[in-house]
Amino acid sequence: GIQVEQSPPDLILQEGANSTLRCNFSDSVNNLQWFHQNPWGQLINLFYIPSGTKQNGRLSATTVATERYSLLYISSSQTTDSGVYFCAVRGGANSKLTFGKGITLSVRP
Amino acid sequence: KAGVTQTPRYLIKTRGQQVTLSCSPISGHRSVSWYQQTPGQGLQFLFEYFSETQRNKGNFPGRFSGRQFSNSRSEMNVSTLELGDSALYLCASSLYGAQTEAFFGQGTRLTVV
Repeated sequence: GIQVEQSPPDLILQEGANSTLRCNFSDSVNNLQWFHQNPWGQLINLFYIPSGTKQNGRLSATTVATERYSLLYISSSQTTDSGVYFCAVRGGANSKLTFGKGITLSVRP
Repeated sequence: KAGVTQTPRYLIKTRGQQVTLSCSPISGHRSVSWYQQTPGQGLQFLFEYFSETQRNKGNFPGRFSGRQFSNSRSEMNVSTLELGDSALYLCASSLYGAQTEAFFGQGTRLTVV
């Protein structure tokens, strides 16, 4: 099956700093999503981005499907950005959503 | 539009018992998937249902089963609970599955004692 690797595993930032989270995947995909898991465990949708670039406020994401990676950019980070960020992909029809191990982001005031 | 609803939110069961978890997808969504999250194994796929049929299954023992009803609501059952089944169980709904965006519920946190 598809392998998903996220880096770095942990990230500590000062409030106001920018960051880039990376997701590499081992095969072609037709679905790629970024999630933020809140302290209560719910996965919050950030981007549905199988290819191209999207922006939503301070967050933006880029997926280069031909090179099998996706990047999530967080600008002017805030303490509320803290948590775990997951990348998840699907490849082929009727295939499962495969998650990376997540990136734990801590934003310090 | 209501999101994905999972019930119950928290559950404590004794080893050997069985448990049923419920998931109501977003209105109009026909695909429901279940995932188990543990600190050691991360997020692992259990199964996916589409129009009442199991379309995909992960590598879990037969003690884990599920079904989907005609209104797309889904239930997951775990029989003969083991301590290792303690986890956060997450349900996701999407329009059709593969090439459509998945939305997750708040999860059911199961503790087996």
